[in-house]
Amino acid sequence: GDSVTQMEGPVTLSEEAFLTINCTYTATGYPSLFWYVQYPGEGLQLLLKATKADDKGSNKGFEATYRKETTSFHLEKGSVQVSDSAVYFCALSGGNQGGKLIFGQGTELSVKP
Amino acid sequence: GAVVSQHPSWVICKSGTSVKIECRSLDFQATTMFWYRQFPKQSLMLMATSNEGSKATYEQGVEKDKFLINHASLTLSTLTVTSAHPEDSSFYICSARDPGPSSLGNQPQHFGDGTRLSIL
Repeated sequence: GDSVTQMEGPVTLSEEAFLTINCTYTATGYPSLFWYVQYPGEGLQLLLKATKADDKGSNKGFEATYRKETTSFHLEKGSVQVSDSAVYFCALSGGNQGGKLIFGQGTELSVKP
Repeated sequence: GAVVSQHPSWVICKSGTSVKIECRSLDFQATTMFWYRQFPKQSLMLMATSNEGSKATYEQGVEKDKFLINHASLTLSTLTVTSAHPEDSSFYICSARDPGPSSLGNQPQHFGDGTRLSIL
């Protein structure tokens, strides 16, 4: 079945460092891909999305490109801030999932001043 | 942007009590809502898909009689944890899919802020 795999956390970075969180997927059909962020004690917020191959989603300095050839959707940010500390979830929807979201296991990011 | 409101945010109650959690889409109509459970330091586990005007679709292993779902209107779905016990303590999160004009898989889900349920 469809699945999403993320790099394991926690990831600890210094402020202004470059961030990459790897995400790969397996899916039948043509899924949409998402990154969600969860701050402590809260629900999930949509960070960015891409709906077809080669699309680039971007928001708040974060970017991810839908790479069909490598089945990847890696999250990047050029310069992280302490306020970016959170758990990041990669997810897919569509394909044969009937609108359900399939989540990766989440990657915790901790940014130190 | 789309907003989903979940209430209450935090519940503490005695074992054997039934607890109702509400999920509302505030600025769009949601024919489909989803209920998730999240354990500490883990990902979200889909419990069921709530369909307006029809029965919910439960994931394998989720007890239908334990977790009652009602989706009586296009903006409201409720999850009732019946006769809750300590093992039901968890963080429950709902989401609603903004239907939009695009195909089924393209629209993102918008999440509520979650309900932390603690059963004593």
